[in-house]
Amino acid sequence: EPEVTQTPSHQVTQMGQEVILRCVPISNHLYFYWYRQILGQKVEFLVSFYNNEISEKSEIFDDQFSVERPDGSNFTLKIRSTKLEDSAMYFCASKGVGSYNEQFFGPGTRLTVL
Amino acid sequence: QKEVEQNSGPLSVPEGAIASLNCTYSDRGSQSFFWYRQYSGKSPELIMFIYSNGDKEDGRFTAQLNKASQYVSLLIRDSQPSDSATYLCAVNPSAGGSYIPTFGRGTSLIVHP
Repeated sequence: EPEVTQTPSHQVTQMGQEVILRCVPISNHLYFYWYRQILGQKVEFLVSFYNNEISEKSEIFDDQFSVERPDGSNFTLKIRSTKLEDSAMYFCASKGVGSYNEQFFGPGTRLTVL
Repeated sequence: QKEVEQNSGPLSVPEGAIASLNCTYSDRGSQSFFWYRQYSGKSPELIMFIYSNGDKEDGRFTAQLNKASQYVSLLIRDSQPSDSATYLCAVNPSAGGSYIPTFGRGTSLIVHP
């Protein structure tokens, strides 16, 4: 069964460093999303991406964040200068054409900022 | 601010019982509703979605939607210890081009043998 994959599973970084989180969505999906979940809290939407551009973004997704689809398979989230409060699980999700909004989540990347 | 409310629990049920998980939402025009299961340290896994008022059954799971009361629930029949997880309710907003769901905090379910 096709699935969303994410790498790395765990990333530890120093405050102020740049990190890139990688996702490979399900191959025939065209809508891609990043969410984050701080430990013990809600899943929060960051950004959605369709047709090679951002379609929606939340207040969390400020200038420190960017997304890119550098090739036909990868979808990346970059955090330019990490802060302690960026420590969270980051989930990538994808959705196919024609579905209402059945998003399928990847396993997540646990980001720890020291 | 669109709100999705769930009782955080934990909801504890014996094995074989019916577990009932509830969710209310504030956006009256919400279009679609999703239940995700999330094991500790893992990602949300979609288990049910519902768009129309009434019941929708899939195996041991039944989703119930009442748009007039702004209420959606998930029933798990014949609960198993492997059903122990946090159940997230997610609600899609009113029509208008946005397909970004709002998640509730989740209800922790414990099924004890």
